[in-house]
Amino acid sequence: QLQLQQSGPGLVKPSETLSLTCTVSADSISRRGTYYWGWIRQPPGEGLEWIGNMYFGGGTYYNPSLKSRVTILGDTSKRQLSLKVNSVTASDTAVYYCVRLLRSGLYFFDYWGQGTVVTVSS
Amino acid sequence: QAVVTQEPSFSVSPGGTVTLTCGLSSGSVSTSYYPSWYQQTPGQTPRTLIYNTNVRSSGVPDRFSGSILGNKAALTITGAQADDESDYYCALYMSSDTSLLGGGTKLTVL
Repeated sequence: QLQLQQSGPGLVKPSETLSLTCTVSADSISRRGTYYWGWIRQPPGEGLEWIGNMYFGGGTYYNPSLKSRVTILGDTSKRQLSLKVNSVTASDTAVYYCVRLLRSGLYFFDYWGQGTVVTVSS
Repeated sequence: QAVVTQEPSFSVSPGGTVTLTCGLSSGSVSTSYYPSWYQQTPGQTPRTLIYNTNVRSSGVPDRFSGSILGNKAALTITGAQADDESDYYCALYMSSDTSLLGGGTKLTVL
């Protein structure tokens, strides 16, 4: 059973950078073309918002509304995915989920991390 | 940017049937968008119910089914049970290699 283990601070000050890491339990992270790896967030009491996806050996794709502030990177040697959100405000307060999207003609989120609660506050 | 539309809330009686829908502001939803559905109970991580329009994820009861109804994707629960009371989210895969998520439907079983 694949596991996505998230880590990172739960409190970030306004205007600073939110940084989260997701460690994948299997070598599938480097299987080019089969999977996207990405992030989804959920503000308190609200719905899910897709942040972005990347796949190793390919491109990175972002939600247009967040694109100017977000960076998603992958490190196959560490089996890790990272998320950075710059210049955060209170509206970035959310539960952040690391996700795997299965491509292979199916295109759905088949694995989710445990979620990280991030609060933006001074 | 297109928006995925879902009913904000719905209620169903125990044993009843309910159909939740997933529309797209820019046009019709078809199988080409690979609609998928996720169930989330409060404080929990979302669980995959349906993918590729109508394929049930492993372990999902067969009272859950997916389809295209008219110009929308649909999730039907036949014989609703109390523990189906959850939030349900639709996701669409766009040709630009991006994903869109709906705002979710809060289902009440009473």
